[in-house]
Amino acid sequence: NAGVTQTPKFRVLKTGQSMTLLCAQDMNHEYMYWYRQDPGMGLRLIHYSVGEGTTAKGEVPDGYNVSRLKKQNFLLGLESAAPSQTSVYFCASSYYPDREEWETQYFGPGTRLLVL
Amino acid sequence: GESVGLHLPTLSVQEGDNSIINCAYSNSASDYFIWYKQESGKGPQFIIDIRSNMDKRQGQRVTVLLNKTVKHLSLQIAATQPGDSAVYFCAETPNDYKLSFGAGTTVTVRA
Repeated sequence: NAGVTQTPKFRVLKTGQSMTLLCAQDMNHEYMYWYRQDPGMGLRLIHYSVGEGTTAKGEVPDGYNVSRLKKQNFLLGLESAAPSQTSVYFCASSYYPDREEWETQYFGPGTRLLVL
Repeated sequence: GESVGLHLPTLSVQEGDNSIINCAYSNSASDYFIWYKQESGKGPQFIIDIRSNMDKRQGQRVTVLLNKTVKHLSLQIAATQPGDSAVYFCAETPNDYKLSFGAGTTVTVRA
């Protein structure tokens, strides 16, 4: 049971390049999330998914797209990278967030992205 | 803007002493709160949670206190160890499934 995994661990991009970050979970979780973390700030939600085939915007969605074609995978895409997207990206997953039995989010190790 | 905040960005504590990390929240509708620990180069790790119908919950060497009257949350770590050095985040749920995180408190344990 690997939990939540992310690839790649580190990437350097030039402004305007595109890339996809992959998140995978083996816990059969329904909900998956993408966050970014910047120095001195907490985690900010980019996009999330409440199940296979669904996606929704979070706090800071601009410049990113996501897809959830399979329950266990959640992809984050940058179509045209900008220096402002230099950050550490974390993926997380959780069970059905029923208010009676809310489950915590489990995080991956992160992807460090540098956009020059 | 941020609805969850921590009072101090850094905390230095002597090994063996107790640590207290504070957090203020502003959303009265939040009914679930979590503390996460993040070590350097790693993702946030769940420590302990508490629901709004409780005012205290204890784990292994950790205690979370919730004061809904003043919208305050605290994490107490007993007998702080070098392995407790990390950034600690509080998070709340202003709605069903999205967590709102504070900026974090960096705890440094002195030998």
